[in-house]
Amino acid sequence: KAGVTQTPRYLIKTRGQQVTLSCSPISGHRSVSWYQQTPGQGLQFLFEYFSETQRNKGNFPGRFSGRQFSNSRSEMNVSTLELGDSALYLCASSLSPGPGDQPQHFGDGTRLSIL
Amino acid sequence: AQTVTQSQPEMSVQEAETVTLSCTYDTSESNYYLFWYKQPPSRQMILVIRQEAYKQQNATENRFSVNFQKAAKSFSLKISDSQLGDTAMYFCAFQGAQKLVFGQGTRLTINP
Repeated sequence: KAGVTQTPRYLIKTRGQQVTLSCSPISGHRSVSWYQQTPGQGLQFLFEYFSETQRNKGNFPGRFSGRQFSNSRSEMNVSTLELGDSALYLCASSLSPGPGDQPQHFGDGTRLSIL
Repeated sequence: AQTVTQSQPEMSVQEAETVTLSCTYDTSESNYYLFWYKQPPSRQMILVIRQEAYKQQNATENRFSVNFQKAAKSFSLKISDSQLGDTAMYFCAFQGAQKLVFGQGTRLTINP
């Protein structure tokens, strides 16, 4: 069974641009979550989608947005990029949301660098 | 709000030794799960072990075991017979009704 697939693996952008990252969950998984990982802030939750609906959102500005499609694939978009958006963006999928009885499985992440 | 604290930023042990990583958490929820994830340099986050809060028995997965002290809100990870491939960042994580919350991580190095 294929794991969580994130594309692209690396991305370089300049300030003010926008970017879209993609995540394909494990087959059959309907819940997708996104995390931002930086050396200073660690792993921070961005948002969670289930059945095309945003179920939870972390404390990030409105420049960060996401969506989920009917096949459970998810995208996240960051507009008006800032230097501080440089990070590893991780996507995780699970069969369903909830208190951990369905553990999350992570992709390899997208390394975003802002120049 | 839930918080997860890992008090050991870095640890280093010799191959074949046993090492224990500490984690404490804070929550008012009664139904939750705790996890240890491993992130090697390849950067993929790998689930090592999980513990259901309502189970008193400590979880074990081969060389990995946990010491879950619910009253103390403590959840430590013990790695027995450590191997070079265990070198990685280890994250403790909590999940209640909402999102997964991670600790800051412990960088573990296994020396030959």
